[in-house]
Amino acid sequence: AQKITQTQPGMFVQEKEAVTLDCTYDTSDPSYGLFWYKQPSSGEMIFLIYQGSYDQQNATEGRYSLNFQKARKSANLVISASQLGDSAMYFCAMREGGGTSYGKLTFGQGTILTVHP
Amino acid sequence: DAGITQSPRHKVTETGTPVTLRCHQTENHRYMYWYRQDPGHGLRLIHYSYGVKDTDKGEVSDGYSVSRSKTEDFLLTLESATSSQTSVYFCAISRRGTNEKLFFGSGTQLSVL
Repeated sequence: AQKITQTQPGMFVQEKEAVTLDCTYDTSDPSYGLFWYKQPSSGEMIFLIYQGSYDQQNATEGRYSLNFQKARKSANLVISASQLGDSAMYFCAMREGGGTSYGKLTFGQGTILTVHP
Repeated sequence: DAGITQSPRHKVTETGTPVTLRCHQTENHRYMYWYRQDPGHGLRLIHYSYGVKDTDKGEVSDGYSVSRSKTEDFLLTLESATSSQTSVYFCAISRRGTNEKLFFGSGTQLSVL
């Protein structure tokens, strides 16, 4: 079974609108971390946001927030007030387990977001 | 800027030849990783290192070896390159106290013909 599933190959949004990128995960480990990365057309990987499995609050980083629904095993990324520069590939990723799993991430296939003016 | 330099940035090679990719970091981090990116697969972990001479296999390690003789350098070697190893290779480090974020290098585009 896929550990990280991103069901939206491509998404379109109008500039200044909000958009949600879906991510579901599969793990039986009670300790895990969830990440979102952005990859613009230039190819670099940019960290956006992190959510730990024991975190009580949903993570937020500026215009990015993570809608963490633990029972549903979903970790959707919400981008508010989209900008043209948000057009990129977005990856959801998971780290299972504690310290020995440090940095060992499983990535989803990605969602291409296009922001229209 | 995470202080990570990957070299070369682009390489074209022939099947059966050895290839070494270099990752150099300037911030003295213990933990370093090699990932590959392929369409439809996202990024997958090849090998990782938790310190000098301390390396281990990731999800897709077959056909690859690594070495870390100095903290700042993590080398990925394809002993005999195959067309299935055509990919974009990313090196990453994780910084202590940053919620386990991975910081990636700019990537190496490798084409095996």
